[in-house]
Parts: sequence; C-alpha cells; structure tokens
Amino acid sequence: QAVVTQEPSLTVSPGETVTLTCGSNTGPVTSGHIPCWFQQKPGQAPRTLIYDTTNTHSWTPARFSGSLLGGKAALTLLGAQPEDEADYYCVLSFSGTVIFGGGTKLTVL
Amino acid sequence: EVQLVQSGAGVKKPGESLKISCQGSGYDFSTYWITWVRQLPGKGLEWMGTIDPSDSYTKYSPSFQGHVTMSTDRSITTAYLHWSSLKAADTAFYYCARHPTMLRPEFDYWGQGTLVTVSS
Repeated sequence: QAVVTQEPSLTVSPGETVTLTCGSNTGPVTSGHIPCWFQQKPGQAPRTLIYDTTNTHSWTPARFSGSLLGGKAALTLLGAQPEDEADYYCVLSFSGTVIFGGGTKLTVL
Repeated sequence: EVQLVQSGAGVKKPGESLKISCQGSGYDFSTYWITWVRQLPGKGLEWMGTIDPSDSYTKYSPSFQGHVTMSTDRSITTAYLHWSSLKAADTAFYYCARHPTMLRPEFDYWGQGTLVTVSS
C-alpha cells in the first residue's frame, strides 16, 4: 500500500510564508491523485481548504493556495496568522483507495 | 444549508455491537457519497471507506474491510457505520464527510464527529 508523507511539524512566524508538502512513495504526485488539504484545530472536525490540487471553497481564506511542486502536492500559506496554528492533512487518491498523509503540525510563533 | 449531523458519543464494552449515524440535510442525499474517517486518540486521519447512498455500493479500505459495515437509509437521509464486535482498539473519533464521486476525496462538508469509547 502507498504511503503519503508530510512534514511532521513546521514553525512559521506571523506574517511569513510557509509551504507544506505531500508526497508519495510510489512516485511523483500528480493532479491524477486529486490532492486535497484539510485543516484541523484541537477539538474540532477537519475542514477542507483545498480540493483537486488547486481549488478553494468559499470558506477558504485567500492566503491559502494549493499547487504541485517538485513532484509533491503543496499547500502554501502566504502571511501566516495566529489562527492558522493547526494540524494540516493532505489526502491522495490511488487506484482503488484513498490515503491520508500523517499530518503536519503547524506552529505560528 | 448543507449539514452532516452525527450521533452522540458512545461507551461500549469489548465484544458489544454499535451503530453510529450521520444524517445529511440541505442537499440531495442520494447524489453525494459518504466517506467515514477514523481518528485514533492523538493521531491522524484514516480513510475507512465510502458508500453511495443511491445504491448502497461500498468501497472499504483493506485495513477496515470485514471489521465495519457501512449502510444508508435514504428515507431518512442517514448513513451508518456499524460494528458487530467492538475492540478496545476501536476507541476513536469517527467522522463522516460527503463527496461527489467514489474515490475523489473532494470532501466539502464534514460531520462534527462521534467519539466511540470501548472499555471493559
């Protein structure tokens, strides 16, 4: 079974930019894996930020964007805010299954 | 307004059965798949599988196949996750989420989560 990898933790200063990545041990991540990104704050259900690589929902803050970068899916946060401190998960679709990454704990400090 | 509302927390003993629910409202329930996601205490998200309410077709993760059963009741726009014999290792939060196509994980709306505690 494929393994989806994310940075376990990242720290960003308020107002700075950070990029989270989502890779696969099976090879480069492509748009065919339909990468999606979710934010989860303590005690809350996950919230979808990005779907199908680059698409945002009406509730997605404009400072979040999705892309493909160096063979991985990427979530870029432009101008981090204190309220962006959370766990972030990516998910990829493979033939016959869907696999979440292990999550990135983002600290805004 | 689209909503997925899950049943309340449950406490069970090992070996007991349990069925938790996820009721959709504000949209045509039959036109979106429902996926179930597990989150063990302090851990990440795990895809358990998905069900098509229009015909009850299911696709399970190999990790959960045979241990849980997904079903739906279109008449009350509700999806279910059922265990026939719980284990302590099933203690976790369980979330439902809707998406438009079987293996496209474009979840938009999520339920609030159901905490299942299995303890003797």
